[in-house]
Amino acid sequence: DAGVIQSPRHEVTEMGQEVTLRCKPISGHDYLFWYRQTMMRGLELLIYFNNNVPIDDSGMPEDRFSAKMPNASFSTLKIQPSEPRDSAVYFCASRDRGHTRNEQFFGPGTRLTVL
Amino acid sequence: GNSVTQMEGPVTLSEEAFLTINCTYTATGYPSLFWYVQYPGEGLQLLLKATKADDKGSNKGFEATYRKETTSFHLEKGSVQVSDSAVYFCALKDSSYKLIFGSGTRLLVRP
Repeated sequence: DAGVIQSPRHEVTEMGQEVTLRCKPISGHDYLFWYRQTMMRGLELLIYFNNNVPIDDSGMPEDRFSAKMPNASFSTLKIQPSEPRDSAVYFCASRDRGHTRNEQFFGPGTRLTVL
Repeated sequence: GNSVTQMEGPVTLSEEAFLTINCTYTATGYPSLFWYVQYPGEGLQLLLKATKADDKGSNKGFEATYRKETTSFHLEKGSVQVSDSAVYFCALKDSSYKLIFGSGTRLLVRP
Protein backbone atom coordinates (compact mmCIF):
# COMPACT_ATOMS: atom_id res chain seq x y z
CA ASP A 1 0.00 0.00 0.00
CA ALA A 2 1.25 3.49 -0.80
CA GLY A 3 0.23 4.87 2.56
CA VAL A 4 -1.69 8.09 3.06
CA ILE A 5 -1.23 10.39 0.08
CA GLN A 6 -1.47 14.15 0.32
CA SER A 7 -1.30 16.79 -2.37
CA PRO A 8 0.16 19.21 -2.98
CA ARG A 9 3.28 18.78 -0.84
CA HIS A 10 3.92 22.52 -0.89
CA GLU A 11 1.53 25.38 -1.56
CA VAL A 12 2.36 29.07 -1.68
CA THR A 13 -0.51 31.46 -2.12
CA GLU A 14 -1.46 35.03 -1.49
CA MET A 15 -3.76 36.26 1.22
CA GLY A 16 -7.39 36.10 0.18
CA GLN A 17 -6.99 33.20 -2.22
CA GLU A 18 -8.79 29.89 -1.86
CA VAL A 19 -6.64 26.90 -0.95
CA THR A 20 -7.64 23.25 -1.29
CA LEU A 21 -5.63 20.47 0.28
CA ARG A 22 -6.23 16.86 -0.73
CA CYS A 23 -5.90 13.51 1.00
CA LYS A 24 -6.24 9.91 -0.05
CA PRO A 25 -6.40 7.59 2.98
CA ILE A 26 -5.14 4.04 3.09
CA SER A 27 -7.58 1.72 1.37
CA GLY A 28 -9.95 0.09 3.84
CA HIS A 29 -9.43 2.65 6.59
CA ASP A 30 -12.69 4.08 7.87
CA TYR A 31 -11.40 7.00 9.96
CA LEU A 32 -9.76 10.09 8.52
CA PHE A 33 -8.20 12.94 10.49
CA TRP A 34 -6.97 16.41 9.52
CA TYR A 35 -4.27 18.02 11.69
CA ARG A 36 -2.45 21.33 11.60
CA GLN A 37 1.11 21.74 12.89
CA THR A 38 2.65 25.09 13.80
CA MET A 39 5.57 26.11 15.95
CA MET A 40 3.33 28.10 18.26
CA ARG A 41 0.48 25.64 18.75
CA GLY A 42 2.06 22.28 17.98
CA LEU A 43 -0.10 19.55 16.47
CA GLU A 44 -3.84 20.27 16.53
CA LEU A 45 -6.69 18.06 15.42
CA LEU A 46 -8.99 20.03 13.13
CA ILE A 47 -11.66 17.49 12.19
CA TYR A 48 -12.19 13.77 11.81
CA PHE A 49 -14.50 11.57 9.76
CA ASN A 50 -15.87 8.08 10.26
CA ASN A 51 -17.23 6.31 7.20
CA ASN A 52 -17.12 9.63 5.31
CA VAL A 53 -19.24 11.41 7.93
CA PRO A 54 -17.76 14.32 9.93
CA ILE A 55 -17.81 13.32 13.60
CA ASP A 56 -16.01 16.12 15.41
CA ASP A 57 -15.11 19.47 13.83
CA SER A 58 -14.57 21.33 17.08
CA GLY A 59 -10.94 21.96 16.15
CA MET A 60 -11.74 23.84 12.95
CA PRO A 61 -10.52 27.34 13.71
CA GLU A 62 -13.25 29.33 11.99
CA ASP A 63 -15.77 29.40 9.17
CA ARG A 64 -13.05 29.99 6.61
CA PHE A 65 -12.11 26.34 7.03
CA SER A 66 -14.22 23.52 5.63
CA ALA A 67 -13.61 19.81 5.05
CA LYS A 68 -15.40 17.21 3.00
CA MET A 69 -15.13 13.51 2.40
CA PRO A 70 -17.27 12.67 -0.65
CA ASN A 71 -16.16 9.03 -0.67
CA ALA A 72 -13.99 6.58 1.23
CA SER A 73 -10.89 7.35 -0.81
CA PHE A 74 -10.80 11.12 -0.90
CA SER A 75 -11.02 14.12 1.41
CA THR A 76 -10.40 17.84 1.02
CA LEU A 77 -9.62 20.65 3.41
CA LYS A 78 -10.47 24.06 2.03
CA ILE A 79 -9.52 27.49 3.31
CA GLN A 80 -11.39 30.44 1.84
CA PRO A 81 -10.19 33.14 2.08
CA SER A 82 -6.70 32.26 3.26
CA GLU A 83 -4.75 34.43 5.70
CA PRO A 84 -1.04 34.55 6.62
CA ARG A 85 -1.80 33.01 10.03
CA ASP A 86 -3.01 29.87 8.22
CA SER A 87 0.59 29.13 7.23
CA ALA A 88 1.37 25.70 8.69
CA VAL A 89 1.92 22.07 7.79
CA TYR A 90 -1.38 20.23 7.37
CA PHE A 91 -1.41 16.48 7.93
CA CYS A 92 -3.97 13.90 7.02
CA ALA A 93 -4.09 10.58 8.87
CA SER A 94 -6.23 7.46 8.64
CA ARG A 95 -6.88 4.39 10.75
CA ASP A 96 -8.84 1.17 10.60
CA ARG A 97 -10.75 -1.10 12.95
CA GLY A 98 -8.36 -4.00 12.69
CA HIS A 99 -5.57 -4.98 15.02
CA THR A 100 -3.88 -1.67 14.32
CA ARG A 101 -7.00 0.25 15.32
CA ASN A 102 -5.07 2.23 17.92
CA GLU A 103 -2.63 3.51 15.32
CA GLN A 104 -3.13 6.46 13.05
CA PHE A 105 -1.11 6.48 9.81
CA PHE A 106 0.03 9.91 8.76
CA GLY A 107 0.62 11.35 5.32
CA PRO A 108 3.73 13.40 4.51
CA GLY A 109 1.89 16.68 5.00
CA THR A 110 1.22 19.80 2.94
CA ARG A 111 3.32 22.84 3.79
CA LEU A 112 1.12 25.89 3.25
CA THR A 113 2.55 29.39 3.04
CA VAL A 114 0.15 32.30 2.78
CA LEU A 115 1.88 35.55 1.82
CA GLY B 1 -9.54 17.90 30.06
CA ASN B 2 -7.00 15.40 28.83
CA SER B 3 -3.49 16.67 28.16
CA VAL B 4 0.09 15.58 27.56
CA THR B 5 3.20 17.37 28.78
CA GLN B 6 6.65 16.70 27.35
CA MET B 7 10.06 17.99 28.29
CA GLU B 8 11.22 20.98 26.31
CA GLY B 9 13.83 20.48 23.66
CA PRO B 10 16.08 20.44 21.92
CA VAL B 11 17.90 17.52 23.46
CA THR B 12 21.44 17.24 22.13
CA LEU B 13 23.40 14.03 22.71
CA SER B 14 26.53 12.37 21.44
CA GLU B 15 26.23 9.09 19.57
CA GLU B 16 25.89 6.06 21.91
CA ALA B 17 24.62 8.21 24.80
CA PHE B 18 21.59 7.23 26.87
CA LEU B 19 18.33 8.97 26.02
CA THR B 20 15.37 9.86 28.22
CA ILE B 21 12.50 12.05 27.06
CA ASN B 22 9.98 12.69 29.81
CA CYS B 23 6.25 12.56 29.21
CA THR B 24 3.42 12.92 31.72
CA TYR B 25 -0.27 12.95 31.08
CA THR B 26 -3.58 14.01 32.59
CA ALA B 27 -6.58 11.91 31.70
CA THR B 28 -9.72 10.38 33.09
CA GLY B 29 -10.14 6.67 32.77
CA TYR B 30 -7.51 4.46 31.17
CA PRO B 31 -6.04 6.03 28.06
CA SER B 32 -3.74 4.33 25.57
CA LEU B 33 -0.33 5.97 25.29
CA PHE B 34 1.89 6.41 22.26
CA TRP B 35 5.21 7.75 21.08
CA TYR B 36 5.33 9.04 17.52
CA VAL B 37 8.48 10.13 15.67
CA GLN B 38 8.72 12.75 12.93
CA TYR B 39 11.80 12.76 10.71
CA PRO B 40 12.61 15.96 8.80
CA GLY B 41 10.15 16.64 6.01
CA GLU B 42 7.97 13.65 6.84
CA GLY B 43 4.75 12.86 8.62
CA LEU B 44 4.51 11.24 12.02
CA GLN B 45 5.19 7.53 12.42
CA LEU B 46 4.13 5.38 15.33
CA LEU B 47 7.21 4.37 17.31
CA LEU B 48 5.64 2.41 20.16
CA LYS B 49 2.50 2.16 22.23
CA ALA B 50 1.07 0.80 25.48
CA THR B 51 -2.59 0.25 26.15
CA LYS B 52 -2.74 -0.49 29.88
CA ALA B 53 -0.89 0.15 33.10
CA ASP B 54 2.54 -1.51 33.44
CA ASP B 55 2.67 -2.35 29.72
CA LYS B 56 6.03 -1.72 28.11
CA GLY B 57 6.12 -0.65 24.50
CA SER B 58 9.32 -1.18 22.55
CA ASN B 59 10.60 -0.74 19.02
CA LYS B 60 13.97 -0.07 17.34
CA GLY B 61 15.72 -0.05 20.73
CA PHE B 62 13.32 2.50 22.22
CA GLU B 63 11.23 1.62 25.27
CA ALA B 64 8.52 3.26 27.36
CA THR B 65 6.55 1.91 30.32
CA TYR B 66 2.99 2.97 31.13
CA ARG B 67 3.13 4.12 34.77
CA LYS B 68 -0.32 4.87 36.07
CA GLU B 69 0.87 5.75 39.57
CA THR B 70 3.04 8.56 38.23
CA THR B 71 0.94 9.21 35.08
CA SER B 72 4.09 8.95 33.01
CA PHE B 73 5.29 7.34 29.79
CA HIS B 74 8.96 8.28 29.50
CA LEU B 75 10.83 7.32 26.32
CA GLU B 76 14.27 5.71 26.72
CA LYS B 77 17.00 4.32 24.51
CA GLY B 78 20.26 2.89 25.74
CA SER B 79 22.48 4.02 22.86
CA VAL B 80 21.32 6.65 20.38
CA GLN B 81 22.48 6.93 16.80
CA VAL B 82 22.74 9.91 14.49
CA SER B 83 19.80 8.46 12.54
CA ASP B 84 17.60 8.88 15.65
CA SER B 85 17.68 12.66 15.22
CA ALA B 86 14.04 13.64 14.86
CA VAL B 87 11.13 15.15 16.76
CA TYR B 88 9.41 12.83 19.23
CA PHE B 89 5.77 13.24 20.24
CA CYS B 90 4.05 11.68 23.21
CA ALA B 91 0.30 11.19 22.77
CA LEU B 92 -2.71 9.70 24.46
CA LYS B 93 -5.98 8.32 23.16
CA ASP B 94 -8.94 8.23 25.48
CA SER B 95 -12.30 6.58 24.85
CA SER B 96 -12.82 8.69 21.74
CA TYR B 97 -10.87 8.24 18.52
CA LYS B 98 -8.85 11.40 18.95
CA LEU B 99 -5.16 11.55 19.72
CA ILE B 100 -3.95 14.31 22.02
CA PHE B 101 -0.32 15.17 21.37
CA GLY B 102 2.36 16.77 23.47
CA SER B 103 4.34 19.67 22.06
CA GLY B 104 7.13 17.47 20.72
CA THR B 105 10.79 17.16 21.72
CA ARG B 106 13.51 17.64 19.16
CA LEU B 107 16.45 15.24 19.49
CA LEU B 108 19.78 15.98 17.85
CA VAL B 109 22.45 13.30 17.96
CA ARG B 110 25.98 14.34 17.08
CA PRO B 111 28.58 11.91 15.69
